[in-house]
Amino acid sequence: AAGVIQSPRHLIKEKRETATLKCYPIPRHDTVYWYQQGPGQDPQFLISFYEKMQSDKGSIPDRFSAQQFSDYHSELNMSSLELGDSALYFCASSLAGRGPPYEQFFGPGTRLTVL
Amino acid sequence: LAKTTQPISMDSYEGQEVNITCSHNNIATNDYITWYQQFPSQGPRFIIQGYKTKVTNEVASLFIPADRKSSTLSLPRVSLSDTAVYYCLVGDKGQAGTALIFGKGTTLSVSS
Repeated sequence: AAGVIQSPRHLIKEKRETATLKCYPIPRHDTVYWYQQGPGQDPQFLISFYEKMQSDKGSIPDRFSAQQFSDYHSELNMSSLELGDSALYFCASSLAGRGPPYEQFFGPGTRLTVL
Repeated sequence: LAKTTQPISMDSYEGQEVNITCSHNNIATNDYITWYQQFPSQGPRFIIQGYKTKVTNEVASLFIPADRKSSTLSLPRVSLSDTAVYYCLVGDKGQAGTALIFGKGTTLSVSS
């Protein structure tokens, strides 16, 4: 079965640079979520979109922005990168109203390293 | 999402049954109990969800007592590949896009 696709899988950036992470949800899924997981930390929710509209917002820094496009893929844009932004970034998707509540399907993640 | 408490870590051996208990004293009437599994450097994976009594699937069982203030995830005959972090989450159905709020999970270590 098709899974959530994230690109790139690995990304190395310098401080103060920008980065763009992409997420392609499972076909027909209408909801996308972004999570950040630092080394040794639990996943932290950043932001979500339902039908291309922002749905929920967590601890996303003002330096970050995200959107969901007409084909339902999503991009997380990160600017003025800091060392503390080094983490695994997961995208998850779900189909609203289908399946158990809180069943989200996670992608393999993008490992961002800021030097 | 309601606050949950679960053990920080557990150790087991291959072939044993493992039970991880999660406390959620403030669970609300409409709340579901959901468990996720996460392997190192991988995204969390949905394991099981329940509302009351017992739920079983091909991976695990979830036991929920009548007062619903706790729940127990049961993994039958664990193997080395079950070594992972297990998260217990509690919340109502919410609206589309409602976030998962991960607390401190239980790190299960399975040895041979």
